[in-house]
Amino acid sequence: DAGVTQSPTHLIKTRGQQVTLRCSPKSGHDTVSWYQQALGQGPQFIFQYYEEEERQRGNFPDRFSGHQFPNYSSELNVNALLLGDSALYLCASSLLQGGDSPLHFGNGTRLTVT
Amino acid sequence: SQQGEEDPQALSIQEGENATMNCSYKTSINNLQWYRQNSGRGLVHLILIRSNEREKHSGRLRVTLDTSKKSSSLLITASRAADTASYFCATGDFGNEKLTFGTGTRLTIIP
Repeated sequence: DAGVTQSPTHLIKTRGQQVTLRCSPKSGHDTVSWYQQALGQGPQFIFQYYEEEERQRGNFPDRFSGHQFPNYSSELNVNALLLGDSALYLCASSLLQGGDSPLHFGNGTRLTVT
Repeated sequence: SQQGEEDPQALSIQEGENATMNCSYKTSINNLQWYRQNSGRGLVHLILIRSNEREKHSGRLRVTLDTSKKSSSLLITASRAADTASYFCATGDFGNEKLTFGTGTRLTIIP
């Protein structure tokens, strides 16, 4: 049973470019959340998708957008990249259970913006 | 913004000793969870404690929750080299499913 898979594992982009990160949730999970983790910090919530809709959003600008597909997989898009967007981007899947469902994380995509 | 603060930020102990790390948070919560992260990889869920629970055990892990003090502790007994990792507490709010993570404790087990 595959867990959460993310691609690519590493990515280098230039300021101003756009990037798309991909995530496949754990089998049987219907909810996907994205987190940004800067070096030495805890993960910060970006947004969560359920039934192809954005359910919740953290304190991130509109440059960060996402999508969930009918097979529950998800994409995170970041436009107009800034140096400060360099981070580990983590995807987590879960079952929508009102807050008591543990998150299953992928190994992340390491994004470097130069 | 970070909800929680872990204490200490870093901890080094000898293999076989017990490790205790603490987490404080700011707002009312529905549950508190602990996660482990190895070397910048994904986080692994360890244990969840609900706001109406005071203590929970899972194998070598013991978690306590004091909602009056807005604090939690994670005890790892009989530590092993494989326990070397960063440990994060995360709080879940009522009515939504997002988790707010703390800043983490970096635990090093010395063989």
